[in-house]
This record gives sequence, structure tokens and C-alpha cells, in this order.
Amino acid sequence: DAGVIQSPRHEVTEMGQEVTLRCKPISGHDYLFWYRQTMMRGLELLIYFNNNVPIDDSGMPEDRFSAKMPNASFSTLKIQPSEPRDSAVYFCASTISRETNIPGNTIYFGEGSWLTVV
Amino acid sequence: TQLLEQSPQFLSIQEGENLTVYCNSSSVFSSLQWYRQEPGEGPVLLVTVVTGGEVKKLKRLTFQFGDARKDSSLHITAAQPGDTGLYLCAVAAGNTPLVFGKGTRLSVIA
Repeated sequence: DAGVIQSPRHEVTEMGQEVTLRCKPISGHDYLFWYRQTMMRGLELLIYFNNNVPIDDSGMPEDRFSAKMPNASFSTLKIQPSEPRDSAVYFCASTISRETNIPGNTIYFGEGSWLTVV
Repeated sequence: TQLLEQSPQFLSIQEGENLTVYCNSSSVFSSLQWYRQEPGEGPVLLVTVVTGGEVKKLKRLTFQFGDARKDSSLHITAAQPGDTGLYLCAVAAGNTPLVFGKGTRLSVIA
């Protein structure tokens, strides 16, 4: 079975440009998460959705960041305008509700989108 | 202030050595997870511990949850180059499904 699929794997863009990261969760999963990973701050939760509805976006750093989930099989994370400090690896992850916050819960991560803003 | 403090941050050892890494907090958790992240990949779940004092073994890896459910350790016996990676602990906290520590970056040299 396919895991969480993210695109692009790598992106280099100039400061001020718009960046769109894409994610396809595992089929049947109803929770989707966006994380950002840097050496300094580790793995930080940006936002998560349940049944396509944003539940908690308190981790989104500022208004330049936005995320959408138009349907159960697709989500985007957009940065506009991008800045060098946004350079990081962005992970999408998904899980199924019957396991969330219950021992044994498994969150499945994609391979990440490596973003460099110059 | 980090909810989860992991130590050491970096660890470089020779193949065949034993090691222990730690995950500590001042908070009590109902469960705690360990993930391993290999270079260029996303984190992958290794184990979930639930009961205070619980010990779980996964081949050469031994995981322990502290009696007070505030901390955990991961012990690797006879480390191999394939164990190289970033080891992350994670907990559910408040409304956040999963909060991660910053991890221990392990390098096993052949």
C-alpha cells in the first residue's frame, strides 16, 4: 500500500516567491498533520485536520503560512511570501481516528519536502 | 521550554557498543512513543509504552517507561551501523496529538 505521499521532495526558491507543498494521506485516514523540522527547533506541529476540517492551527508561525484540505485525499501548505527562515523540511503525516490519543496510535509520515529559500 | 528533553543530543559510537538515550519531562503522560528517523526519511514508529515501569523489547532495542510515567529510556545492545539515525520520543499533550522531543542523533561507526 502507498504511504503518505508528498511533493515536491526538494524545492529551492527565491525569497518572496510563493511555495506550495502538497500531500496525499493514506487512504482511509481521517487525520492529517503538517510538521516542520529544523535542527534548532526539532519537529514542530504546524496544523492538523480531522475529516478535512482544521482543528488546531496554533503552530502556524504567521499569516504567511496557510493550509487547506479540500478533500480527504489532498492537502496543501502554502507559504507566501517565502523567507530564508522558512527553510526546513516539511512533513505531512496521517492517522486514523480510532487510534488517535489511544495507546497504540501510529502516525505515518511522508518522506518530507526539503525547502530552501535563498 | 521543551516539553520533552532528550539526551544526549549527539552520540557517536563504534559498532558493537551498547548505549542508552533518555527522554525526560516534568509532566506525566498516559503513553509515550519512540520513533526512528533515518536520513532523508520521515519518522517511523518503533514502540508505544503505556504503563509505568513497562519494559518493551524490539530485537536489540529495549524501551522503558519510568515508574511515574514522566520519562523513558531506550537502550541499544551491540549497536550496528543500521541503527544510525535520529531517535525521537513523542507524547500526546493537551489538544496536540503528538509533541516531539528534539531527538538524539546516533551515529554507529563500523
